[in-house]
Amino acid sequence: GAGVSQTPSNKVTEKGKYVELRCDPISGHTALYWYRQSLGQGPEFLIYFQGTGAADDSGLPNDRFFAVRPEGSVSTLKIQRTERGDSAVYLCASSSHGVSGVWNEQFFGPGTRLTVL
Amino acid sequence: ILNVEQSPQSLHVQEGDSTNFTCSFPSSNFYALHWYRWETAKSPEALFVMTLNGDEKKKGRISATLNTKEGYSYLYIKGSQPEDSATYLCASYNQGGKLIFGQGTELSVKP
Repeated sequence: GAGVSQTPSNKVTEKGKYVELRCDPISGHTALYWYRQSLGQGPEFLIYFQGTGAADDSGLPNDRFFAVRPEGSVSTLKIQRTERGDSAVYLCASSSHGVSGVWNEQFFGPGTRLTVL
Repeated sequence: ILNVEQSPQSLHVQEGDSTNFTCSFPSSNFYALHWYRWETAKSPEALFVMTLNGDEKKKGRISATLNTKEGYSYLYIKGSQPEDSATYLCASYNQGGKLIFGQGTELSVKP
């Protein structure tokens, strides 16, 4: 039983470049979440998908950040014109969303450590 | 309390010591409280999901309590071992489905 996987595990890029971070959730999980953990802080919510649609993107810091999940499985977090402040660990999690607003346990991937030079 | 707060930020103990950390969270609109254990370069691992006031959960040497009325949870580790060294995160689940994390407690257990 594969867990949540994320690629790459580490990404070093230069300021101004475009990056894509990939998340493969647990098979069958309809809900997918992206979080960002900056140094010395806890993970911070970015966006939540239910199926293919973004149910809540209120955590995306600005319009340089965008995420997609076109087939309701794999998700890609895209960051344009990267800035040094974007350096962080980007975590993905998935869960099976129950009915009637039941929020089930989230299973996390190991994260992608992004460093913007 | 508007945010989830954890204390202490870091803790250094000797092998065999027992220790505990605190998580404070908003008591209004509470849904669930999660504890995670996160080792470097690994996935955060769920320890406990707690929903009921007065809940106590235990997994081996680790246990947790929950007070939803006053908005706090304690995590206890009995007889700490070097392999317990990790960052311990708590997160409050609100009705919008978001996990709001504390900043974590970094535990280091020296042999």
